Amino acid sequence: DAMVIQNPRYQVTQFGKPVTLSCSQTLNHNVMYWYQQKSSQAPKLLFHYYDKDFNNEADTPDNFQSRRPNTSFCFLDIRSPGLGDAAMYLCATSSYRGVFFGQGTRLTVV
Amino acid sequence: DAKTTQPTSMDCAEGRAANLPCNHSTISGNEYVYWYRQIHSQGPQYIIHGLKNNETNEMASLIITEDRKSSTLILPHATLRDTAVYYCIVRVGGNAGNMLTFGGGTRLMVKP
Repeated sequence: DAMVIQNPRYQVTQFGKPVTLSCSQTLNHNVMYWYQQKSSQAPKLLFHYYDKDFNNEADTPDNFQSRRPNTSFCFLDIRSPGLGDAAMYLCATSSYRGVFFGQGTRLTVV
Repeated sequence: DAKTTQPTSMDCAEGRAANLPCNHSTISGNEYVYWYRQIHSQGPQYIIHGLKNNETNEMASLIITEDRKSSTLILPHATLRDTAVYYCIVRVGGNAGNMLTFGGGTRLMVKP
């Protein structure tokens, strides 16, 4: 059974129209991450939560925000998507043993 | 986190062992070596990790040199489904909040 679930798998949004990507986990892990992966590149960390503590990477654009209402759910909000934000967005959770990824949401901006 | 260096790409014949090298010469004593792979359009999949001893599981074996400056991931009998990008990552152990920072990875192509 999937332990880190991302919905939807594919999302199309219009240029400038806010979009929200969702992630849920059944592992009860304290830490959740959002990564951005552009075509043919390695995943790049955007931010992470340790419980409710939010940690933003220094080079994450202000256009990207996140919410974590409880342990199980985490959301990625893109306030005004541009063409350059088209990518695979990966959610992950972490324990001391390792990091576990969802299947990703592929975002297309038209 | 320490950086890792991997070959950009490798080929392997189906049924043969695939040996993927990784250099991590600046690894610290509390950093583990993790391997993940990513099949096209899917999320990264955990393969194996280790600190200093060699490790084996149902997917692969991990050989870490005695000085811990390099390691090799071994897929003993590669299949076409093992075609993927393989990431070698070092991560500080013991704390769930420690980051996983990806490098370039090795694109493994398994050929019939």
